[in-house]
Amino acid sequence: KNEVEQSPQNLTAQEGEFITINCSYSVGISALHWLQQHPGGGIVSLFMLSSGKKKHGRLIATINIQEKHSSLHITASHPRDSAVYICAVGIIQGAQKLVFGQGTRLTINP
Amino acid sequence: IAGITQAPTSQILAAGRRMTLRCTQDMRHNAMYWYRQDLGLGLRLIHYSNTAGTTGKGEVPDGYSVSRANTDDFPLTLASAVPSQTSVYFCATRQAVGANVLTFGAGSRLTVL
Repeated sequence: KNEVEQSPQNLTAQEGEFITINCSYSVGISALHWLQQHPGGGIVSLFMLSSGKKKHGRLIATINIQEKHSSLHITASHPRDSAVYICAVGIIQGAQKLVFGQGTRLTINP
Repeated sequence: IAGITQAPTSQILAAGRRMTLRCTQDMRHNAMYWYRQDLGLGLRLIHYSNTAGTTGKGEVPDGYSVSRANTDDFPLTLASAVPSQTSVYFCATRQAVGANVLTFGAGSRLTVL
């Protein structure tokens, strides 16, 4: 079993829909990262969080430490949100180690 | 230079050849990382450096070496490339080890024939 599991693997939705991507992990973590990778390859860090909730524009990230679960929400989705979203966790033992999920490919149709 | 510069952007290489992927940053970040990204496997850590002068092995270090002579540069060398090293390679930095955001380079696509 992977230490970081994302769901769904693929998600297609219509413009304007509310999007939720989930990330579950099985190890103790120092922090959790959400990353965005657009077609063409560039990876951008969206959020880093260790508790609670963070919001940036239409993006919201939440984490529940007790349940070892995080969600990334996109409100009023737009075709430009189409990308692969990657969850990564910082492992407590050895702070330099990040373990990545497989990614969720999101497609927003106009 | 703004952020992280990786070079080359793309390269086709014959098996057995030596290749160095370059990574340079201008943010004075202490920690630097090399990842490879393969379809179905996600990002995997090859080598890392917590600060200039130190390096460490990640999940998949075999066939790769790194050096960190100064803060800005973190080259990744394939001594004798093999087809299984065909991948997209990303260099990343963090201001310090621990709870800091990651900054990624644009990636280097390497094909080994």
